Amino acid sequence: AQKVTQAQTEISVVEKEDVTLDCVYETRDTTYYLFWYKQPPSGELVFLIRRNSFDEQNEISGRYSWNFQKSTSSFNFTITASQVVDSAVYFCALSDSSSGGYQKVTFGIGTKLQVIP
Amino acid sequence: EPEVTQTPSHQVTQMGQEVILRCVPISNHLYFYWYRQILGQKVEFLVSFYNNEISEKSEIFDDQFSVERPDGSNFTLKIRSTKLEDSAMYFCASSVSSGPRGSEAFFGQGTRLTVV
Repeated sequence: AQKVTQAQTEISVVEKEDVTLDCVYETRDTTYYLFWYKQPPSGELVFLIRRNSFDEQNEISGRYSWNFQKSTSSFNFTITASQVVDSAVYFCALSDSSSGGYQKVTFGIGTKLQVIP
Repeated sequence: EPEVTQTPSHQVTQMGQEVILRCVPISNHLYFYWYRQILGQKVEFLVSFYNNEISEKSEIFDDQFSVERPDGSNFTLKIRSTKLEDSAMYFCASSVSSGPRGSEAFFGQGTRLTVV
């Protein structure tokens, strides 16, 4: 079975603060993929990052960074110097071979981030 | 930049009616998906489609749902007899592959289905 837990349902920060969104996952597979998606108020889903289980290097993309730690089954997402435009729901997601392929992506419940000006 | 497009953006239908949601995946992608998101809840996988057939489906995807790729560009989700609980945002997605490379799914902007 696969499961994604985002324990923070809502976070509010003041603009320019750093914020970390937590994600903990469960899988029996050794090969799996982790994702983060952003859902702004307009409703669409925006792909942010994909990580495979063999690549534990942390990644930075502008103000965004991701910390993948297999030892704690976590894939946390940090926004540095947050901006109002970062206000959105952020979903962590996982795909593994448990259902016969990697096509099914299981999403966490999402963390709603509000950045206050 | 190529994107997945969905039409319509919002559809209102009466309970019991059939509805077809349409999607145009990114042109060089081979895997297509439908997900749904009931308001305020998480995004749930419905079905994946590859090589003109369903490759995987969830328990939500029962006999009232069907998918089709009627031509080389469109990918549709049909709900035969809509129920109130089918009201949700439906997302189409596509990916190049399902394997180690190119498996990230790019999502459309969604179709909000309201069943009244």
